[in-house]
Amino acid sequence: SQQGEEDPQALSIQEGENATMNCSYKTSINNLQWYRQNSGRGLVHLILIRSNEREKHSGRLRVTLDTSKKSSSLLITASRAADTASYFCATAVDTGRRALTFGSGTRLQVQP
Amino acid sequence: SQTIHQWPATLVQPVGSPLSLECTVEGTSNPNLYWYRQAAGRGLQLLFYSVGIGQISSEVPQNLSASRPQDRQFILSSKKLLLSDSGFYLCAWTPGGQGQETQYFGPGTRLLVL
Repeated sequence: SQQGEEDPQALSIQEGENATMNCSYKTSINNLQWYRQNSGRGLVHLILIRSNEREKHSGRLRVTLDTSKKSSSLLITASRAADTASYFCATAVDTGRRALTFGSGTRLQVQP
Repeated sequence: SQTIHQWPATLVQPVGSPLSLECTVEGTSNPNLYWYRQAAGRGLQLLFYSVGIGQISSEVPQNLSASRPQDRQFILSSKKLLLSDSGFYLCAWTPGGQGQETQYFGPGTRLLVL
């Protein structure tokens, strides 16, 4: 099964509301990253949080990491219609594998 | 600044035909390079990655192969396409090294096998 699993699979909210997406993983990690994908496009990196960090902010984004629960959350505050996209978490594990493992994503729809 | 290119953007191919997708990166040296496939509405499946010229790591047994003939060029190929090869193919790069930092993605190639 996937190293990273996002929850919920789909989320629909109104503009101005906050959106929260969660990611759970199975093995110890070096870092966890969040990416955004607009329909039919490539992924864009949003934020990286390392295993020794608990919270990180970037503009309207807030990411938390709980290594004891092997979970992370992405909060988008004051959402806008332009935030409509799929959001993926990706984990880097300490096995010498020079790659990330992506989850299945959360599809966010922000209604204007 | 660094740029990643993929072509073609869209491809429709008959079953049994060959495939060649190309990815090139500009503005960096010795990048780690990655090929992913994404089924409609799904997550990314890592197919191959490369940490140097001629060095290919295969993640999943596939009807596909990859090659890296030059430092900043990564090619995905197939001798005979299957219907199940349809999908959205994404190339990505990271600075040379551990390969666990930020990945930068290309625009993708949408492949439809009929």
